[in-house]
Amino acid sequence: GQQVMQIPQYQHVQEGEDFTTYCNSSTTLSNIQWYKQRPGGHPVFLIQLVKSGEVKKQKRLTFQFGEAKKNSSLHITATQTTDVGTYFCAGTDSWGKFQFGAGTQVVVTP
Amino acid sequence: GAGVSQSPSNKVTEKGKDVELRCDPISGHTALYWYRQSLGQGLEFLIYFQGNSAPDKSGLPSDRFSAERTGGSVSTLTIQRTQQEDSAVYLCASSPGAGFNQPQHFGDGTRLSIL
Repeated sequence: GQQVMQIPQYQHVQEGEDFTTYCNSSTTLSNIQWYKQRPGGHPVFLIQLVKSGEVKKQKRLTFQFGEAKKNSSLHITATQTTDVGTYFCAGTDSWGKFQFGAGTQVVVTP
Repeated sequence: GAGVSQSPSNKVTEKGKDVELRCDPISGHTALYWYRQSLGQGLEFLIYFQGNSAPDKSGLPSDRFSAERTGGSVSTLTIQRTQQEDSAVYLCASSPGAGFNQPQHFGDGTRLSIL
């Protein structure tokens, strides 16, 4: 069955630095979504990508969908303390199964 | 406007008891989803309702779990004969359209603790 893997599991970042977190699927995805969950909060939708090679930006966040539609990345520039939280990707495979990854927990050091 | 509302926010019960968790989706949203999140883990899909269609129950972990959605709005997730491994946060989400290609709006969840 479909497996959605996220790496790294944990990311410690110095404030002001850049980092990237990755989402990899064992099967081709029709779409990929990214959510952010602050500590003690619920997941909040960030963005959806549907096209091969698609790149979308939201301020300091850049999201990319791979050419083969099997992986995605989230790149954050100039990390701020407000970026703390767990970032989840979730995708739908060709059978319509939707699965969340385990998330990347981001900790920002001032 | 009002978001997804879940109740209760916390539930502590003894092993073997039945529990009911409630979800009020955003008004007008036709799709409703239930997930389970264990401590420090990702979201495990449980069940998906879309309009009047038969629900996708493929994620329910056992026959102790069931859910219904009345009138295309409020949903109740029922866990019978609870076990300690059922302890988790149960999250409900809704979206304005069908399928998993819609942004999902989550409630704050019900934290379930089985003693």
